[in-house]
Amino acid sequence: DSGVTQTPKHLITATGQRVTLRCSPRSGDLSVYWYQQSLDQGLQFLIQYYNGEERAKGNILERFSAQQFPDLHSELNLSSLELGDSALYFCASSVAVAGGNTQYFGPGTRLTVL
Amino acid sequence: GESVGLHLPTLSVQEGDNSIINCAYSNSASDYFIWYKQESGKGPQFIIDIRSNMDKRQGQRVTVLLNKTVKHLSLQIAATQPGDSAVYFCAETPQTGANNLFFGTGTRLTVIP
Repeated sequence: DSGVTQTPKHLITATGQRVTLRCSPRSGDLSVYWYQQSLDQGLQFLIQYYNGEERAKGNILERFSAQQFPDLHSELNLSSLELGDSALYFCASSVAVAGGNTQYFGPGTRLTVL
Repeated sequence: GESVGLHLPTLSVQEGDNSIINCAYSNSASDYFIWYKQESGKGPQFIIDIRSNMDKRQGQRVTVLLNKTVKHLSLQIAATQPGDSAVYFCAETPQTGANNLFFGTGTRLTVIP
């Protein structure tokens, strides 16, 4: 158990809908990362937050957004869902923001868009 | 852009043998490398890491070797066990600046009892 929690574990929804994925980092970690894992793209970095502020963006679609709250939990919002958004979404956390800090991953949320 | 690749998509080994999983990276600025293990239905699990000022690092039954000259990383698992069966990813990130990880495509390790 990495100490990172994610809810829900599974999510099934329809195209055009909006969903929110939730992540709680390990105790003491200030930085949260979101990754998408699909069969054809592998693990792709989406976005990073540190102590409530956005710090880095990867290949995140404009339909997707995230935030980190004062209690350090984070939410990833996916809107206008398309079939291709079906994937595993992982959250990871680390103590600090700088490169070289080990990231620990949560169990993931499996999103299925029908 | 960043590119981290794996030489072999699948690897089968006999239980008790040693396993070697390889990874190539292309970014010379990469300073920090991590191996993750991902079992079916689970998130990536940290195995071992190494910084660019080291060539070798050992953990419990695992060793990571870094060859910066040819931009190559390997993970050695000693006395491979059935519980080692999983997909293994190498990931890299610059030690300074952003900490987002760039992952390779993964190698599926199957341990034959």
